Order: sequence, then C-alpha cells, then structure tokens
Amino acid sequence: RKEVEQDPGPFNVPEGATVAFNCTYSNSASQSFFWYRQDCRKEPKLLMSVYSSGNEDGRFTAQLNRASQYISLLIRDSKLSDSATYLCVVNPNYGGATNKLIFGTGTLLAVQP
Amino acid sequence: NAGVTQTPKFRVLKTGQSMTLLCAQDMNHEYMYWYRQDPGMGLRLIHYSVGEGTTAKGEVPDGYNVSRLKKQNFLLGLESAAPSQTSVYFCASSYGLPYNSPLHFGNGTRLTVT
Repeated sequence: RKEVEQDPGPFNVPEGATVAFNCTYSNSASQSFFWYRQDCRKEPKLLMSVYSSGNEDGRFTAQLNRASQYISLLIRDSKLSDSATYLCVVNPNYGGATNKLIFGTGTLLAVQP
Repeated sequence: NAGVTQTPKFRVLKTGQSMTLLCAQDMNHEYMYWYRQDPGMGLRLIHYSVGEGTTAKGEVPDGYNVSRLKKQNFLLGLESAAPSQTSVYFCASSYGLPYNSPLHFGNGTRLTVT
C-alpha cells in the first residue's frame, strides 16, 4: 500500500460546481498534512495546511479524519483558474522525524466553461 | 522577490556525462531540498540540507551528490548521468522543519538523459 494515495482523476467539472478530493495515508502516526497546488509544467505551491479541527480559506475547505486516515479538500464555486493538479502531502513522523514529507501523485482538476 | 531560482531550466545529457544543477534562494532559509518528479509518482526527496555545510540523504540519493557551501545555494550533481535520471528536478527551501513550514519551490529543471 502506498504511504499516500490519491485518485489521479481527471475530475472534469463545470464552472460553479463544488468538487471534493480525498487522500488516504497509511501511517496513523502522521503528524502534519497539506494540500499543494501544481499548475501544468510549474512548481508546486502551498494551497493550505490541514488542521485537526478543519480549516477554510475562501472557497477552499480542508478536513482531516484521523480515524479513517484521510484528508479532504473541498472547492466551492469552481473557477477556470482552479484547473490544476492538487497534491496531498503528509509528514509521516517516522521515529519522530519531522523533516520528511510524502507527496501524493496528485489529483487533476479540469474546470470547464 | 526572486524566491528560489534554479538553473538551468532545461538540459539534455548523454549517458555518462556529468552536470550540476544550481539552486539559489534569497529568503535566508535554513532548509533546502532537492526533489525529483516522475510521471505517476509523487515528488521524491533526493538530498536535503538543514543548514550551511550540512547535507543528508533523502529517499532516492543514489547517483547524486550535493553541496551547501553557502547558505543561499544548494547544488545537485550528477557524476555519470543515466537514462533513469531523466526527470523534472525541483529545488525547495523552508525557514523551518517541513512539518510546520511551507516549502517554496523553484520552477524546475527538465533533464533528459539519452
């Protein structure tokens, strides 16, 4: 089983739609969770951290479910500019190592006009 | 604000050739990283540095060497390139440990080894 798993998509949604992605992780001791966004042929950029209580940033909401070991990203009122690959990133905290991150392969979102 | 700058942006090598990828950051970050990104795989850590003069192996270090002689620069070397090293290479930096500090990435180097 991969340490971090994502549905590669693509998720094709119309403008204005609400879309959600999930990401599962295998290590129950994982400490920190993030969503990064990567545009085609560009570098990844931090979209948001994922906190235990869940957090929201404008149209984006991130949730953590420790019991089922997954994080989610919800995008409301999708814009064309949201089209990108969304990377799930986890700090697995092996042996207390806080300097390691595991990147998922990403979920491709294509917002259609 | 330059952030993290990588050079070169593109390179084609023949098997056995060597090259050095340069990463420079102007944010005074302590931590720097080299990742590679391949289709169908997440970014994988090659080497990293927690400060000037220090380096450590990541999960896929074989065939690569690194140096951090100055805080702002992190060099990745390929001594004898192999086709398996065809990839997109990203440098990144962070002000603190990555579990609570965002990574700032350079715009990548596309390397093809024939």
